[in-house]
Amino acid sequence: GENVEQHPSTLSVQEGDSAVIKCTYSDSASNYFPWYKQELGKRPQLIIDIRSNVGEKKDQRIAVTLNKTAKHFSLHITETQPEDSAVYFCAASTRAGSYQLTFGKGTKLSVIP
Amino acid sequence: EADIYQTPRYLVIGTGKKITLECSQTMGHDKMYWYQQDPGMELHLIHYSYGVNSTEKGDLSSESTVSRIRTEHFPLTLESARPSHTSQYLCASQSNSPLHFGNGTRLTVT
Repeated sequence: GENVEQHPSTLSVQEGDSAVIKCTYSDSASNYFPWYKQELGKRPQLIIDIRSNVGEKKDQRIAVTLNKTAKHFSLHITETQPEDSAVYFCAASTRAGSYQLTFGKGTKLSVIP
Repeated sequence: EADIYQTPRYLVIGTGKKITLECSQTMGHDKMYWYQQDPGMELHLIHYSYGVNSTEKGDLSSESTVSRIRTEHFPLTLESARPSHTSQYLCASQSNSPLHFGNGTRLTVT
């Protein structure tokens, strides 16, 4: 089955700096890669996703890149703000054509004012 | 408002009790999932359903059971709660779309 590795497990950045979180996946047939943000005490919420026919997707300060050959994808947050502090989870579809997800273990991002 | 609802939000019970965690969604989604998560930690899939009368066990072994008699309803039952079941339980649903999570039930077994 699919295996998703996520790094780093914790990340601290100064406000205004950029943050990068990286994930690798094992199943080359996976074709859907979402990112979720979970604030303290709240539910995980989708912030951005990418499909395997696209190499990069951007939404304001958030971007995701996908390298299918290397089987890794990354989340980039620019101009970080204190409200970006949360746990971020990457995920990959369990099999091609499926939306069932395998999640990474999460990255706790702290943005220091 | 179309959403996914979980009740109760918090539950404290004694060892050996039988409990049911409720999950309902009003989005018309066919797929529903239960995840177990210690706060801020890894999400573990414990059960899922792709439609009425369809249920499967997830990656994490669980002593809980689920049922899917109606499309919108996916309750999770623990026949005999133990302290090791103390955790947060998140319900989620989807169609051919991103996964939507409920607010979770935080369970404490004393």
